[in-house]
Amino acid sequence: AQSVTQLDSHVSVSEGTPVLLRCNYSSSYSPSLFWYVQHPNKGLQLLLKYTSAATLVKGINGFEAEFKKSETSFHLTKPSAHMSDAAEYFCVVSEPPGGSYIPTFGRGTSLIVHP
Amino acid sequence: NAGVTQTPKFQVLKTGQSMTLQCAQDMNHNSMYWYRQDPGMGLRLIYYSASEGTTDKGEVPNGYNVSRLNKREFSLRLESAAPSQTSVYFCASSERGADQETQYFGPGTRLLVL
Repeated sequence: AQSVTQLDSHVSVSEGTPVLLRCNYSSSYSPSLFWYVQHPNKGLQLLLKYTSAATLVKGINGFEAEFKKSETSFHLTKPSAHMSDAAEYFCVVSEPPGGSYIPTFGRGTSLIVHP
Repeated sequence: NAGVTQTPKFQVLKTGQSMTLQCAQDMNHNSMYWYRQDPGMGLRLIYYSASEGTTDKGEVPNGYNVSRLNKREFSLRLESAAPSQTSVYFCASSERGADQETQYFGPGTRLLVL
């Protein structure tokens, strides 16, 4: 069985400061991990994904995430927040064939960016 | 290449009315999904279809039915709408194996049941 926990429901930062959105997962297999972003009144868009290659994954808009198996974490970071980063962010775990390949979503973290 | 399209974008229903939400994808994906999104709950899977001709229940299937009409289209039906079904509904598609399960989402349908 797989599960994902986003540790913060809201994160508030000032423009130009670093962003950290935290995600822990549980999986019986070597999972694929994803971060999706949802801007207000929009659908979800893939930010980045981990698929057992490099543990540090770079995504769009300057975001990156590091897969840490020992900590079962996949935290999302960005060095400098921009106003346009204000959105809802979802961490997702998906298992390979043999596991439950239906993706499981976290409850989301709302990123608030202050001027 | 439109990706995933959903109709309608917004709908208001009265309790007990029925409606069908339509979803289509033009990426030749085998897998399609219906989710509902409620505040603080993330996305919860209603039904999915791993391939044409198959459908399976997700986490919250009660009150819904689905039809995988062909490889492109996957519809969600509410037979007798209830206020608890007020939500935003998202359709998604993916291709198993290739592209490592990345899901592509439609823009959503906002449903209000009075």
